[in-house]
Amino acid sequence: EADIYQTPRYLVIGTGKKITLECSQTMGHDKMYWYQQDPGMELHLIHYSYGVNSTEKGDLSSESTVSRIRTEHFPLTLESARPSHTSQYLCASSDERGSSYEQYFGPGTRLTVT
Amino acid sequence: RKEVEQDPGPFNVPEGATVAFNCTYSNSASQSFFWYRQDCRKEPKLLMSVYSSGNEDGRFTAQLNRASQYISLLIRDSKLSDSATYLCVVNANTGGFKTIFGAGTRLFVKA
Repeated sequence: EADIYQTPRYLVIGTGKKITLECSQTMGHDKMYWYQQDPGMELHLIHYSYGVNSTEKGDLSSESTVSRIRTEHFPLTLESARPSHTSQYLCASSDERGSSYEQYFGPGTRLTVT
Repeated sequence: RKEVEQDPGPFNVPEGATVAFNCTYSNSASQSFFWYRQDCRKEPKLLMSVYSSGNEDGRFTAQLNRASQYISLLIRDSKLSDSATYLCVVNANTGGFKTIFGAGTRLFVKA
């Protein structure tokens, strides 16, 4: 089992609220990712990080922001939630020091904005 | 054109059938290749890596054809528990290392 955790698992929140989705991994991985996935649809990369103090935007434009102050922690923040943000958010990490490049995913946060 | 393309399916097969999934990728600089499995409403998990020489893990066989930029996954003797979405994943080094997930092929195995 991967040691990567996301909280909350489920969140229902009203429009305009600020929310932070938490992601932590205990594997010491440098690279971390946030994906957005609607039911039955493909994964979309929204943010990634190569390590502490490194953050990059992914392929899908997102109104969210991320930070990477500690290796193990990669939170995602929505300043003002909207119904269009309703989706599943998956956090992942990978260790590219070897040749594996396997991404380990957290269980996801299912967000509903009413 | 997407960088990684898969037949979305769904593939509906009876138990015991052999089923094959294909995946094509557009970046010739792609370096490593994987199949992931994603169960309904769950996170993706690595199923197997794909090597140039082809590789097998029990009932699963993965093959890579670099010349045609094509990856395949063969599942023999399908089980009900094989029902899932199978994601083709490609790593490429294009001015920075990048992992690209295909949209997935959905498989339903029926009794």
